[in-house]
Amino acid sequence: NAGVTQTPKFQVLKTGQSMTLQCAQDMNHEYMSWYRQDPGMGLRLIHYSVGAGITDQGEVPNGYNVSRSTTEDFPLRLLSAAPSQTSVYFCASSSLPDSNSPLHFGNGTRLTVT
Amino acid sequence: AQSVTQLGSHVSVSEGALVLLRCNYSSSVPPYLFWYVQYPNQGLQLLLKYTTGATLVKGINGFEAEFKKSETSFHLTKPSAHMSDAAEYFCAVSDYGNTPLVFGKGTRLSVIA
Repeated sequence: NAGVTQTPKFQVLKTGQSMTLQCAQDMNHEYMSWYRQDPGMGLRLIHYSVGAGITDQGEVPNGYNVSRSTTEDFPLRLLSAAPSQTSVYFCASSSLPDSNSPLHFGNGTRLTVT
Repeated sequence: AQSVTQLGSHVSVSEGALVLLRCNYSSSVPPYLFWYVQYPNQGLQLLLKYTTGATLVKGINGFEAEFKKSETSFHLTKPSAHMSDAAEYFCAVSDYGNTPLVFGKGTRLSVIA
């Protein structure tokens, strides 16, 4: 019963460094997404995918890349970290949204960029 | 595009008192509606979701939400607050089709003994 697994749980980066936040789900969900959570801002969508090989931008995509080579995995890449990317990142998955299926969330990655 | 407004970033109630968390959505066409809860240092968990045709939706932990199309609202209530209800609550909305979920800014609920 792993559900959605995010790694790492915590990460500290220096400005300009790159890294990949990992997300894996074992529920055979077609839909996967990345959100960032900042105080007073709620959750804002970064990128999402409706299936392997298909990705699209959300509300705040700048500075982030994604790819979806398998159904299970949806990594989020920070190309050149900036202090504005300090946040808590959540990966979530579901059956396709139009099935009224709820999102299943990972426990988050807390990222600090100095 | 859908949007959702949660009135009140912080709500404080006494233990045993009524909990009312407000949510309004933007569309005149009833979308998919959800309430999620986030406990400290955890991801979000589904509390309840709106099903077409139902006006009162029951969720987990004694919470329920009433869908009012005329007011484009989906307020969350619980008759009697418990200390364990202290958390952040998010209302979320999406349109039909493969459209992503849009979240409100959240309401932090504090329960006072």
